[in-house]
Amino acid sequence: QKEVEQDPGPLSVPEGAIVSLNCTYSNSAFQYFMWYRQYSRKGPELLMYTYSSGNKEDGRFTAQVDKSSKYISLFIRDSQPSDSATYLCAVGMEYGNKLVFGAGTILRVKS
Amino acid sequence: ETGVTQSPTHLIKTRGQQVTLRCSSQSGHNTVSWYQQALGQGPQFIFQYYREEENGRGNFPPRFSGLQFPNYSSELNVNALELDDSALYLCASSTGREPETQYFGPGTRLLVL
Repeated sequence: QKEVEQDPGPLSVPEGAIVSLNCTYSNSAFQYFMWYRQYSRKGPELLMYTYSSGNKEDGRFTAQVDKSSKYISLFIRDSQPSDSATYLCAVGMEYGNKLVFGAGTILRVKS
Repeated sequence: ETGVTQSPTHLIKTRGQQVTLRCSSQSGHNTVSWYQQALGQGPQFIFQYYREEENGRGNFPPRFSGLQFPNYSSELNVNALELDDSALYLCASSTGREPETQYFGPGTRLLVL
Protein backbone atom coordinates (compact mmCIF):
# COMPACT_ATOMS: atom_id res chain seq x y z
CA GLN A 1 0.00 0.00 0.00
CA LYS A 2 1.34 3.42 -0.94
CA GLU A 3 1.76 5.91 1.89
CA VAL A 4 -0.19 8.52 -0.07
CA GLU A 5 -2.86 7.71 -2.63
CA GLN A 6 -4.01 10.26 -5.19
CA ASP A 7 -6.21 9.77 -8.24
CA PRO A 8 -4.09 10.72 -11.28
CA GLY A 9 -7.05 11.92 -13.33
CA PRO A 10 -7.06 13.66 -15.71
CA LEU A 11 -9.84 15.83 -14.37
CA SER A 12 -11.43 18.10 -16.96
CA VAL A 13 -13.76 20.93 -15.89
CA PRO A 14 -15.27 24.04 -17.51
CA GLU A 15 -14.00 27.48 -16.56
CA GLY A 16 -15.67 28.78 -13.41
CA ALA A 17 -16.30 25.32 -11.93
CA ILE A 18 -15.42 24.31 -8.38
CA VAL A 19 -12.66 21.71 -8.39
CA SER A 20 -12.15 19.12 -5.67
CA LEU A 21 -8.83 17.29 -5.46
CA ASN A 22 -8.27 14.57 -2.88
CA CYS A 23 -5.66 12.36 -1.27
CA THR A 24 -5.63 9.71 1.41
CA TYR A 25 -2.66 8.75 3.55
CA SER A 26 -1.97 5.68 5.62
CA ASN A 27 0.24 6.77 8.53
CA SER A 28 -1.27 8.78 11.37
CA ALA A 29 2.23 10.04 12.21
CA PHE A 30 1.99 12.49 9.32
CA GLN A 31 1.37 15.94 10.80
CA TYR A 32 2.05 18.33 7.92
CA PHE A 33 -0.06 18.53 4.79
CA MET A 34 0.87 20.41 1.66
CA TRP A 35 -0.47 21.03 -1.81
CA TYR A 36 1.87 21.80 -4.68
CA ARG A 37 1.05 22.89 -8.22
CA GLN A 38 3.33 21.76 -11.03
CA TYR A 39 3.16 23.12 -14.54
CA SER A 40 4.53 21.03 -17.38
CA ARG A 41 8.33 20.77 -17.29
CA LYS A 42 8.56 22.94 -14.17
CA GLY A 43 9.30 22.31 -10.49
CA PRO A 44 6.47 22.02 -7.95
CA GLU A 45 5.21 25.32 -6.50
CA LEU A 46 3.95 25.36 -2.91
CA LEU A 47 0.30 26.41 -2.85
CA MET A 48 -0.75 25.76 0.72
CA TYR A 49 0.32 23.96 3.84
CA THR A 50 -1.42 23.16 7.10
CA TYR A 51 -0.81 21.05 10.17
CA SER A 52 -4.21 20.78 11.77
CA SER A 53 -7.56 19.30 10.96
CA GLY A 54 -10.04 21.72 9.47
CA ASN A 55 -10.02 24.24 6.66
CA LYS A 56 -7.45 26.78 5.56
CA GLU A 57 -8.38 29.33 2.94
CA ASP A 58 -6.18 31.41 0.64
CA GLY A 59 -7.99 33.31 -2.09
CA ARG A 60 -9.68 30.84 -4.42
CA PHE A 61 -8.00 27.87 -2.72
CA THR A 62 -9.17 25.97 0.37
CA ALA A 63 -7.20 23.13 1.91
CA GLN A 64 -9.10 20.70 4.11
CA VAL A 65 -7.64 18.07 6.41
CA ASP A 66 -9.50 15.29 8.24
CA LYS A 67 -6.95 13.49 10.40
CA SER A 68 -9.52 11.01 11.72
CA SER A 69 -10.14 9.77 8.18
CA LYS A 70 -6.59 10.43 6.95
CA TYR A 71 -8.08 12.44 4.10
CA ILE A 72 -6.90 15.72 2.61
CA SER A 73 -8.57 17.88 -0.01
CA LEU A 74 -7.93 20.98 -2.07
CA PHE A 75 -10.84 23.00 -3.40
CA ILE A 76 -10.42 25.55 -6.18
CA ARG A 77 -13.25 28.03 -6.65
CA ASP A 78 -13.95 29.85 -9.91
CA SER A 79 -11.38 27.74 -11.74
CA GLN A 80 -9.43 29.40 -14.55
CA PRO A 81 -7.61 27.97 -17.59
CA SER A 82 -4.38 29.10 -15.89
CA ASP A 83 -5.14 26.58 -13.11
CA SER A 84 -4.51 23.77 -15.60
CA ALA A 85 -1.58 21.87 -14.10
CA THR A 86 -0.71 18.81 -12.06
CA TYR A 87 -1.63 19.09 -8.38
CA LEU A 88 0.47 17.15 -5.92
CA CYS A 89 -0.48 16.46 -2.34
CA ALA A 90 2.37 15.90 0.10
CA VAL A 91 2.62 14.90 3.74
CA GLY A 92 5.40 15.12 6.30
CA MET A 93 6.14 14.19 9.87
CA GLU A 94 7.00 16.54 12.72
CA TYR A 95 10.79 16.64 13.01
CA GLY A 96 10.88 14.54 9.85
CA ASN A 97 13.07 15.33 6.93
CA LYS A 98 11.13 14.37 3.86
CA LEU A 99 7.91 14.95 2.04
CA VAL A 100 5.92 11.97 0.80
CA PHE A 101 4.02 12.84 -2.35
CA GLY A 102 0.99 11.49 -4.08
CA ALA A 103 1.25 10.68 -7.77
CA GLY A 104 -0.42 13.97 -8.72
CA THR A 105 -3.76 14.78 -10.36
CA ILE A 106 -3.77 16.35 -13.82
CA LEU A 107 -6.32 19.17 -13.98
CA ARG A 108 -7.56 20.72 -17.20
CA VAL A 109 -9.79 23.80 -17.06
CA LYS A 110 -11.49 24.45 -20.39
CA SER A 111 -12.37 27.98 -21.48
CA GLU B 1 15.12 37.18 -2.59
CA THR B 2 16.71 34.63 -4.92
CA GLY B 3 14.84 31.38 -5.48
CA VAL B 4 16.19 27.88 -5.83
CA THR B 5 18.24 27.37 -8.97
CA GLN B 6 19.46 24.15 -10.56
CA SER B 7 21.93 23.31 -13.30
CA PRO B 8 22.00 22.01 -15.90
CA THR B 9 18.39 22.15 -17.09
CA HIS B 10 18.73 19.12 -19.34
CA LEU B 11 21.28 16.34 -19.61
CA ILE B 12 21.71 13.25 -21.77
CA LYS B 13 24.00 10.46 -20.61
CA THR B 14 24.60 6.85 -21.54
CA ARG B 15 24.24 3.84 -19.30
CA GLY B 16 27.21 3.35 -16.97
CA GLN B 17 28.28 6.99 -16.97
CA GLN B 18 28.37 9.31 -13.97
CA VAL B 19 26.51 12.60 -13.56
CA THR B 20 26.67 15.58 -11.19
CA LEU B 21 23.69 17.87 -10.70
CA ARG B 22 23.90 21.19 -8.88
CA CYS B 23 21.54 23.23 -6.73
CA SER B 24 21.74 26.68 -5.17
CA SER B 25 19.40 27.07 -2.23
CA GLN B 26 17.12 30.03 -1.63
CA SER B 27 18.66 32.91 0.28
CA GLY B 28 18.51 32.26 4.03
CA HIS B 29 17.90 28.52 3.69
CA ASN B 30 20.35 26.03 5.20
CA THR B 31 18.66 22.77 4.23
CA VAL B 32 18.58 21.11 0.83
CA SER B 33 16.57 18.03 -0.12
CA TRP B 34 16.79 16.08 -3.37
CA TYR B 35 13.92 14.29 -5.04
CA GLN B 36 13.55 12.10 -8.13
CA GLN B 37 10.38 12.47 -10.18
CA ALA B 38 9.76 9.81 -12.81
CA LEU B 39 7.32 10.59 -15.61
CA GLY B 40 3.73 10.55 -14.37
CA GLN B 41 4.76 10.09 -10.73
CA GLY B 42 5.14 12.27 -7.68
CA PRO B 43 8.62 13.22 -6.45
CA GLN B 44 10.44 10.60 -4.34
CA PHE B 45 12.82 11.63 -1.55
CA ILE B 46 16.47 10.79 -2.20
CA PHE B 47 18.21 12.50 0.74
CA GLN B 48 18.49 15.73 2.67
CA TYR B 49 21.46 17.85 3.77
CA TYR B 50 21.28 20.09 6.81
CA ARG B 51 24.25 22.34 7.58
CA GLU B 52 26.56 20.23 5.39
CA GLU B 53 25.61 16.86 6.90
CA GLU B 54 23.31 14.19 5.49
CA ASN B 55 20.07 14.22 7.47
CA GLY B 56 18.16 11.22 6.21
CA ARG B 57 18.01 9.14 3.09
CA GLY B 58 15.23 7.55 1.10
CA ASN B 59 15.18 4.15 -0.57
CA PHE B 60 17.94 4.84 -3.09
CA PRO B 61 21.15 2.81 -3.62
CA PRO B 62 24.60 4.09 -2.55
CA ARG B 63 25.45 5.09 -6.12
CA PHE B 64 23.30 8.13 -5.37
CA SER B 65 25.46 10.44 -3.25
CA GLY B 66 25.47 14.08 -2.33
CA LEU B 67 27.31 16.96 -0.85
CA GLN B 68 26.46 20.31 0.70
CA PHE B 69 28.88 23.22 0.71
CA PRO B 70 29.43 25.96 3.34
CA ASN B 71 27.26 28.35 1.30
CA TYR B 72 24.49 25.66 1.50
CA SER B 73 24.54 24.90 -2.21
CA SER B 74 24.47 21.19 -2.98
CA GLU B 75 25.40 18.51 -5.49
CA LEU B 76 23.77 15.22 -6.35
CA ASN B 77 26.05 12.60 -7.88
CA VAL B 78 24.83 9.45 -9.55
CA ASN B 79 27.32 6.75 -10.55
CA ALA B 80 26.86 3.82 -12.92
CA LEU B 81 23.78 5.32 -14.52
CA GLU B 82 20.90 2.99 -15.38
CA LEU B 83 18.05 3.53 -17.84
CA ASP B 84 15.60 3.84 -14.91
CA ASP B 85 17.54 6.83 -13.61
CA SER B 86 15.91 8.89 -16.38
CA ALA B 87 13.77 11.39 -14.50
CA LEU B 88 13.37 14.98 -13.36
CA TYR B 89 15.69 15.63 -10.41
CA LEU B 90 14.37 18.27 -8.05
CA CYS B 91 16.15 20.20 -5.37
CA ALA B 92 14.17 21.82 -2.55
CA SER B 93 15.46 24.21 0.07
CA SER B 94 14.07 25.13 3.47
CA THR B 95 15.06 26.93 6.64
CA GLY B 96 15.32 23.85 8.83
CA ARG B 97 14.74 20.16 9.10
CA GLU B 98 10.94 20.37 9.24
CA PRO B 99 9.27 19.42 6.00
CA GLU B 100 6.46 21.91 5.84
CA THR B 101 7.97 24.65 3.76
CA GLN B 102 10.26 23.20 1.16
CA TYR B 103 10.62 25.33 -1.94
CA PHE B 104 11.52 23.58 -5.17
CA GLY B 105 13.78 24.53 -8.01
CA PRO B 106 12.88 23.99 -11.67
CA GLY B 107 14.64 20.64 -11.81
CA THR B 108 17.19 18.94 -14.04
CA ARG B 109 15.79 16.57 -16.63
CA LEU B 110 18.13 13.60 -17.05
CA LEU B 111 17.82 11.15 -19.92
CA VAL B 112 19.89 7.96 -19.80
CA LEU B 113 20.28 6.13 -23.10
